[in-house]
Amino acid sequence: EAQVTQNPRYLITVTGKKLTVTCSQNMNHEYMSWYRQDPGLGLRQIYYSMNVEVTDKGDVPEGYKVSRKEKRNFPLILESPSPNQTSLYFCASTGGGSYGYTFGSGTRLTVV
Amino acid sequence: AQKITQTQPGMFVQEKEAVTLDCTYDTSDQSYGLFWYKQPSSGEMIFLIYQGSYDEQNATEGRYSLNFQKARKSANLVISASQLGDSAMYFCAMREGFGGGATNKLIFGTGTLLAVQP
Repeated sequence: EAQVTQNPRYLITVTGKKLTVTCSQNMNHEYMSWYRQDPGLGLRQIYYSMNVEVTDKGDVPEGYKVSRKEKRNFPLILESPSPNQTSLYFCASTGGGSYGYTFGSGTRLTVV
Repeated sequence: AQKITQTQPGMFVQEKEAVTLDCTYDTSDQSYGLFWYKQPSSGEMIFLIYQGSYDEQNATEGRYSLNFQKARKSANLVISASQLGDSAMYFCAMREGFGGGATNKLIFGTGTLLAVQP
């Protein structure tokens, strides 16, 4: 089954404790992206990657890091999480062009 | 600047009736794509329908249709014969540019929360 797998689904952590949210896709897509969703703001892009070792900032990159060492994986790293990073996070991938996006099931992160 | 506007924060509809969710967009690109996603209370993002800027026919997918008015820059979602399971948040999104070098970035609206009443 074609899918994007995110882990964990839920995470509660404390301020400053480094964490990684994993994302993996099995569709051989070149393009992957991370979004955060906040009430009243819709989804906003954090980082994206157009291929292995090619990453770039989205609209809200502060406080986040990403890496793309393999085509299938695109982890999101929070080096020192803060309460304002409490949000619902989505990873998505696409083959580009008129192809749709496939979203992961989301990670609900709470930073206390 | 590229932008998606959804002016209806929330809507009610009676079961079996049709409902239209509004979406307007702003872009200077000639080539773009428009998407609608459904987000039920469980949180996942479910793709509903896609319309390309050069598509002459309005897109349809089962009970979903997209009323695409290019000159007005609107891409409204029409759900026919609403069902209780249609209660969810609905997002309109736009992707700009295609071909080599395209960033494939999706720009989202703020969403419309639809409640279907029995």
